[in-house]
Amino acid sequence: EPEVTQTPSHQVTQMGQEVILRCVPISNHLYFYWYRQILGQKVEFLVSFYNNEISEKSEIFDDQFSVERPDGSNFTLKIRSTKLEDSAMYFCASSDNRGLGEKLFFGSGTQLSVL
Amino acid sequence: AQTVTQSQPEMSVQEAETVTLSCTYDTSESNYYLFWYKQPPSRQMILVIRQEAYKQQNATENRFSVNFQKAAKSFSLKISDSQLGDTAMYFCAFIGQTGANNLFFGTGTRLTVIP
Repeated sequence: EPEVTQTPSHQVTQMGQEVILRCVPISNHLYFYWYRQILGQKVEFLVSFYNNEISEKSEIFDDQFSVERPDGSNFTLKIRSTKLEDSAMYFCASSDNRGLGEKLFFGSGTQLSVL
Repeated sequence: AQTVTQSQPEMSVQEAETVTLSCTYDTSESNYYLFWYKQPPSRQMILVIRQEAYKQQNATENRFSVNFQKAAKSFSLKISDSQLGDTAMYFCAFIGQTGANNLFFGTGTRLTVIP
């Protein structure tokens, strides 16, 4: 089965630094998502992206966050000035359709630790 | 607002036995999907099974089946003939028509299969 690939698997950064989390969605998918999971808490939606623009975003996705599809294969999440509370596992996902109930394919996540 | 509740933080089952994981949800939407995702130690989120609210028949996928009780807003997962590879965190998730592909997750149940 095709996979969503995320790099790096672990990222450690200092508070206030910028980080970019990278994702390679499944090649024929058009819809892309970021979710995050703070340790011990539920997985939360951050943002969805289609046709080079944000489709929907949650309250978590404030001005410190941005997403980009810089080329035909990558999908990135940037956090401009990291805070301690940004420490979490970040999951990228993709789907080939946006219908209700469409299967989302998740990557293995990037564990971000902000010190 | 949608909520998903998993009241069992941890469960264990003997290999080859059957186990049922509970999930309840709350929504005012008329059409929605429910999902069970598995998160093994590798942290990847893997779709186990999904159920459309309009379908009365319970979904099944090999050893995995659900008991969908729409009136009670209950969506439990039954794993038959448990295997060691079933050891993982299991998340119940909901998506409604108004949420595009914005999944609402429960807090998860950690399942351990004992040899």
